[in-house]
Amino acid sequence: DIVMTQSPDSLVVSLGERATINCKSSQSVLYSSNSKSYLAWYQQKPGQPPKLLISWASTRESGVPDRFSGSGSGTDFTLTISSLQAEDVAVYSCQQYFSTPYTFGQGTKLEIK
Amino acid sequence: QVQLQESGPGLVKPSETLSLTCTVSGGSINSNYWSWIRQPPGKGLEWIGYVYYSGSTNYDPSLKSRVTISIDTSKNQFSLKLTSVTAADTAVYYCARDVPFHQWGQGTLVTVSS
Repeated sequence: DIVMTQSPDSLVVSLGERATINCKSSQSVLYSSNSKSYLAWYQQKPGQPPKLLISWASTRESGVPDRFSGSGSGTDFTLTISSLQAEDVAVYSCQQYFSTPYTFGQGTKLEIK
Repeated sequence: QVQLQESGPGLVKPSETLSLTCTVSGGSINSNYWSWIRQPPGKGLEWIGYVYYSGSTNYDPSLKSRVTISIDTSKNQFSLKLTSVTAADTAVYYCARDVPFHQWGQGTLVTVSS
C-alpha cells in the first residue's frame, strides 16, 4: 500500500495569511505515460463530508476559490491557501489514486489564530 | 447534479453483518466507479472498495475477506455488506462517486455495540 503522510498535523494561521500543508507519498504517484500525478486534496468541515478541492495534484475543481492551489509531483505535494479566510477552517486531507487500495493522509487541522 | 444518500441501520451487534445502501439521484449509476469510504470517530478516511457500473469490484485487502459491494442499476443503488463486525468497524460510512471522489453522500454513523 502507498502510505500518505501529511505535515503538520495541525496549523494555526492568521486571517489573510498563507497556509501551507505538505503531503508525502511512500512511492511515486506519477504515471510516466501521461506525466500526471494521481493526487487529490479534500477539505472537510465539521459534520460534513469531504469536498474535493484539487485533483491531478494541481487542477482546481469547478467552484473552488483560486486562493487554493496545489503543487508537486512524484512523491512530494503541497496545498497552499494564499490568503486564509474564516470559512477555510477545516481538516485537509491528501489522497492518492495511483493504485488500489486508495489511501489518504491522516489529515491536517487548520485553525484561525 | 448527482446526489448520493446512504441508508441503513445505525447500530449493529458485534459479529453481525453491517449493511448499507447508497441511493444515487439526479443522474444514472450506469457509469463511473462507486465507492464506500469510512471514517472512525476522530480519525482519518479509509477507502473500503468500489464497484464499477459493470459490476466489477475492487476492495481494500485488509477488509477483502469481509466485504461485498454490489450494484443494482435498475434501482440506481449500490450497497455495502461487511461481515463479522467488531467495535473497530464503528465509523461514519460514506458513499462516493468516481475516482478521485468527486461527490460524497452526507455519511451515516454506524456503531457496533451489543
